[in-house]
Amino acid sequence: DAGVIQSPRHEVTEMGQEVTLRCKPISGHDYLFWYRQTMMRGLELLIYFNNNVPIDDSGMPEDRFSAKMPNASFSTLKIQPSEPRDSAVYFCASSPAGTVQPQHFGDGTRLSIL
Amino acid sequence: AQSVAQPEDQVNVAEGNPLTVKCTYSVSGNPYLFWYVQYPNRGLQFLLKYITGDNLVKGSYGFEAEFNKSQTSFHLKKPSALVSDSALYFCAVRAGSGAGSYQLTFGKGTKLSVIP
Repeated sequence: DAGVIQSPRHEVTEMGQEVTLRCKPISGHDYLFWYRQTMMRGLELLIYFNNNVPIDDSGMPEDRFSAKMPNASFSTLKIQPSEPRDSAVYFCASSPAGTVQPQHFGDGTRLSIL
Repeated sequence: AQSVAQPEDQVNVAEGNPLTVKCTYSVSGNPYLFWYVQYPNRGLQFLLKYITGDNLVKGSYGFEAEFNKSQTSFHLKKPSALVSDSALYFCAVRAGSGAGSYQLTFGKGTKLSVIP
């Protein structure tokens, strides 16, 4: 089991640029979650998918953020245009169906917007 | 709305001593409770969960947690701390059913330092 795979691990870019973060969930997992972690706000849920369909995106900060899941093995989180306050660690997690199932996290993408 | 409080930002304990990391929660209905650990530059790793039944839950690496419904608490414990236990620990809650039951709400985290 390869676990949840995120890329890139680190991203440094200038304000105004488009940023795309990628995630490959564990095979067979029905749910995929995107989180953002900062010192000030802790761990925040941005959006989650069930069987590739977005279920709740109420945590997405604003229209500059978008997420897609074109198939069961791939998801993207896009920020356009990026701003310095978007600097954070972004985590992707997946879980099997069932509310008792724990979520399995990737190692995150550390994003720095200059 | 559901919420989790971890009242201590940092806990220091000597190696070999017992450790406790505190967590209290608020949720409508029956809670599903989780503990995760995060090592530097890594994602969160699942330690243990409480769903129902026995109030004492055993998990990975010798950790256990005690569910107390009257105090709405779910404290993480270990009888003998190791230096390798030093990490950031997160408590999380999920509503047992209904809208939002797949959403995990995390506490702010507690940094555990085990001193040799």
